Amino acid sequence: NAGVTQTPKFQVLKTGQSMTLQCAQDMNHEYMSWYRQDPGMGLRLIHYSVGAGITDQGEVPNGYNVSRSTTEDFPLRLLSAAPSQTSVYFCASRRLLNTGELFFGEGSRLTVL
Amino acid sequence: SQQGEEDPQALSIQEGENATMNCSYKTSINNLQWYRQNSGRGLVHLILIRSNEREKHSGRLRVTLDTSKKSSSLLITASRAADTASYFCATENRGSTLGRLYFGRGTQLTVWP
Repeated sequence: NAGVTQTPKFQVLKTGQSMTLQCAQDMNHEYMSWYRQDPGMGLRLIHYSVGAGITDQGEVPNGYNVSRSTTEDFPLRLLSAAPSQTSVYFCASRRLLNTGELFFGEGSRLTVL
Repeated sequence: SQQGEEDPQALSIQEGENATMNCSYKTSINNLQWYRQNSGRGLVHLILIRSNEREKHSGRLRVTLDTSKKSSSLLITASRAADTASYFCATENRGSTLGRLYFGRGTQLTVWP
């Protein structure tokens, strides 16, 4: 049971480049989400999804797109990277019913030059 | 902001001592959760306490919740060097989107051998 898998673990981009952070979970969780973690800022929610075909914005959605075509996958797209998007990104999932814990991936460290 | 706030921001103790971290929040909650993050890793769920509970135990962890003061505390007894990590509280706020958690900025705990 792999849990939540994120790729890549590290990525360096130049300003204006695009890329996709991949996230997959094998626990059949309805809820999936992307957070960014910056020093002194805690975790801030970027986008989330409560099921296939349903996505919504979190606190800091600008510059990011998401889609949820399957229950398992929730990719995060940066269409035109900016230095302000240098951060560590975490994907997390959970069951919606019987509220409980979020399961996190190991993170993707992104640097935008 | 609907985030929780941890206190202190940093805590340094010797092995064998107890570590206490506090979390304050601003809104009514369904539950409050504590997570641990080792350096360079994803967050891992430690314990969940529901709004109608006042205290919970799990191994060396003790969590209390005071909804009248909108605060929680995490006590780690007999700390070990391996407890060195960042600890975050997260709230599931009443009336918020199902599944969404609001994280604080965390307490960095260092346990010296």
